[in-house]
Parts: sequence; C-alpha cells; structure tokens
Amino acid sequence: ETGVTQSPTHLIKTRGQQVTLRCSSQSGHNTVSWYQQALGQGPQFIFQYYREEENGRGNFPPRFSGLQFPNYSSELNVNALELDDSALYLCASSLDMGQGIEAFFGQGTRLTVV
Amino acid sequence: QQQVKQSPQSLIVQKGGISIINCAYENTAFDYFPWYQQFPGKGPALLIAIRPDVSEKKEGRFTISFNKSAKQFSLHIMDSQPGDSATYFCAAKTVDNFNKFYFGSGTKLNVKP
Repeated sequence: ETGVTQSPTHLIKTRGQQVTLRCSSQSGHNTVSWYQQALGQGPQFIFQYYREEENGRGNFPPRFSGLQFPNYSSELNVNALELDDSALYLCASSLDMGQGIEAFFGQGTRLTVV
Repeated sequence: QQQVKQSPQSLIVQKGGISIINCAYENTAFDYFPWYQQFPGKGPALLIAIRPDVSEKKEGRFTISFNKSAKQFSLHIMDSQPGDSATYFCAAKTVDNFNKFYFGSGTKLNVKP
C-alpha cells in the first residue's frame, strides 16, 4: 500500500451535476497531482498542488478545479459533469517536486456519469 | 499529440519467458522515465525508473534499457510469472518543477501458466 487514500472508491453522477473527490496524501508529502484515466488509456495530468497552491495544469477546462489543505490532503471538483468525464480519477502524492521524485498513486475513484 | 508512444497494446507470454514492452518519446527535455504496474481496480505502482545518463537499470527480474539517441526505452521482465499479469505503463517527465508525468497508453500483459 502507498499510504495514499482516495474517497469515494466509486461514484455515479448525472450529467450536469457537480462532484467532489478526495485524496489523503502519504504522510509528509506536500505535493499532490490529479490524473484522469479513461478506460483503456494511460493517466492524463489534470493539475498539481504544492503547499496549497495550484502549481501546474494540464489540458483540462476550468470546470475542473481543486484545493489543497494545510494537512496536504486535496480535493478535485468537477462542475457541469459531462458523459466524457466518466473515468478513473487518480491522485498521486510526492515529497516536493523535481527530478526523479517518486510519485505514489492512490487506488483511484471510479466516476460514472449517466 | 501523444508525447509517449507505447507498444504493444497487449502481450501474451508463457511462464518463464521474457516480456518486452517498448516506449518512444519525442521531447528531449524528458529526464525521468518510470514504469508503472497497474492491477484492475488499483492505482499505478512504481516498478522501476531510469534517468537518461545511464543505458540500463536492473532491479530483480525487471530491467529498463534506455537508448537516448533513438529516444526509446523498454521494460524487460525476465522469468515472467502469472502474478506479473497486469497493465504496464511507461511514463516520462521533464526537468522542471512539476510532477507532470506523460504516460503511454499501456500494455496489458498476460502470462500463461
């Protein structure tokens, strides 16, 4: 186990709704990244938080937003859900950033939008 | 545009055989190349990683071969076991302040008993 926990594990939402996913990072890790993994694909980088600030963003629209709390846990919020948002959402935590820093992934939240 | 291209999409290997998965990249700024293993319903787990200043890294039955001039790297799993059956992803990251990994599309490995 990586020590990174995500909740909930599964979620079903209706198109147009909003969703919040949660991630508890490994103890001592101050950096959290979020990824979207569509079925049969590799994970795609959504954004990263470092010490409570967004610190890098992938090619995702503004309706994908996040937060990082003082204890370094994090939330991913998605507004106006679309069917294509159905995916496995992964968070990864690491101690700081930069070269060769290992990122530890949680087990993911499976989001289904109907 | 996919930054990291991975092949094959699926692979069947007999127990005891060698599994080989290949990846190619374009961005010469990539400086860290990990391989992840993912079982169904689980998140990716780091297997082994390499930096471009070495051509090979071995950890147990897993070896990364890295060819900087060809911009290719591969994972070799020696003495493949049924427990190795999983999806494998290569990834790459640039030298900057982000933990933004670019993942390949994955290879589903099935090791037959």
